[in-house]
Amino acid sequence: ETGVTQSPTHLIKTRGQQVTLRCSSQSGHNTVSWYQQALGQGPQFIFQYYREEENGRGNFPPRFSGLQFPNYSSELNVNALELDDSALYLCASRLGSFENIQYFGAGTRLSVL
Amino acid sequence: GNSVTQMEGPVTLSEEAFLTINCTYTATGYPSLFWYVQYPGEGLQLLLKATKADDKGSNKGFEATYRKETTSFHLEKGSVQVSDSAVYFCPDFEYSGGGADGLTFGKGTHLIIQP
Repeated sequence: ETGVTQSPTHLIKTRGQQVTLRCSSQSGHNTVSWYQQALGQGPQFIFQYYREEENGRGNFPPRFSGLQFPNYSSELNVNALELDDSALYLCASRLGSFENIQYFGAGTRLSVL
Repeated sequence: GNSVTQMEGPVTLSEEAFLTINCTYTATGYPSLFWYVQYPGEGLQLLLKATKADDKGSNKGFEATYRKETTSFHLEKGSVQVSDSAVYFCPDFEYSGGGADGLTFGKGTHLIIQP
């Protein structure tokens, strides 16, 4: 049990729609990262938030955006969904931007039809 | 920058067999090294870590030693169980100027343990 919770567990959307995924960090963790894991692949880094500001981003288009709230919970928003966005989305929290151990949630399985 | 190379699977073993999953790195400094495990249908769990040369991480019977001379961090277990069946990741970790970036994962090694 990592103390990181994600919701919903599963989600089905159609192409072109928008989706919001949520993550509650482990207590006291002010840094959260989001990852996309396609079937059979390793997780790919989307972006990182530290104290409500995005301070790192992977190779994902702007339609992937996020928010972090004062209580350090976080959202991942994806606009104009594409079929290739179907994946497991993982949230990971850590204690401080320079802390190197990340604690992962169980993920949200998104299916885009 | 740093890079990590992990052996690809799948790796299929019989119960009680000895396990080695290779992970080698190239680095200009001494990065922290990790092994994460992903059980079917779950997120990733930190299995073990090492932060400097000659460190040995251990957990649940698994061990890995940060070996500077061979630039390796191989995962080992003396006697695997069916419950060890999972995907194992040895990710890269690198700081950027603004703080720690995300971990960089390969495809992982799918371990299958047969009874």
